Amino acid sequence: GAVVSQHPSRVICKSGTSVKIECRSLDFQATTMFWYRQFPKKSLMLMATSNEGSKATYEQGVEKDKFLINHASLTLSTLTVTSAHPEDSSFYICSVPTSGINTGELFFGEGSRLTVL
Amino acid sequence: AQKVTQAQTEISVVEKEDVTLDCVYETRDTTYYLFWYKQPPSGELVFLIRRNSFDEQNEISGRYSWNFQKSTSSFNFTITASQVVDSAVYFCALSGYNFNKFYFGSGTKLNVKP
Repeated sequence: GAVVSQHPSRVICKSGTSVKIECRSLDFQATTMFWYRQFPKKSLMLMATSNEGSKATYEQGVEKDKFLINHASLTLSTLTVTSAHPEDSSFYICSVPTSGINTGELFFGEGSRLTVL
Repeated sequence: AQKVTQAQTEISVVEKEDVTLDCVYETRDTTYYLFWYKQPPSGELVFLIRRNSFDEQNEISGRYSWNFQKSTSSFNFTITASQVVDSAVYFCALSGYNFNKFYFGSGTKLNVKP
């Protein structure tokens, strides 16, 4: 079964609105979650590292006021795309690193495809 | 700098052919990990294998095999007797010893035709 769940899987919104994407770790507690963005036919670009109980760490070039990340609990991280514009249309994927015996294995959510009209 | 290069953008084969996906990496770390992930059309990335930098043994899992060569900084992936269900985008990735960051290659799209 799924280890990481993302919701919604698809969202279409009007330009200027905000969209929230949820990432849930179903099988274990996650103090860290990663948010990636994938452009068509491109690799995954790490946007930020979500840290439970503290601020997210953003990669260079990613606007933190544009992409708000909240790690509310050990099983939930949210990415909010604020005032979305067509250029924000993309496939957003969250991932959760494991610890213990499976340390290093990165589980991915199903991804959320955002289309901004 | 950390970098993963997958030079093959897209490969097309006919079912039952063998195919090798190339991955070349760059890192200054002495301890690191290499991964392969599969991304089918549905979008979700599926973990295939993890290798640490101290283990150069090749691995075989069913029709899948991996060849890790530190001397050439390569971690190639071979699918034997390919099947249509193998059609997907395959990503090679690199992380440091503490897994705090993963670097992905640009992916290789594999098309297996019946």
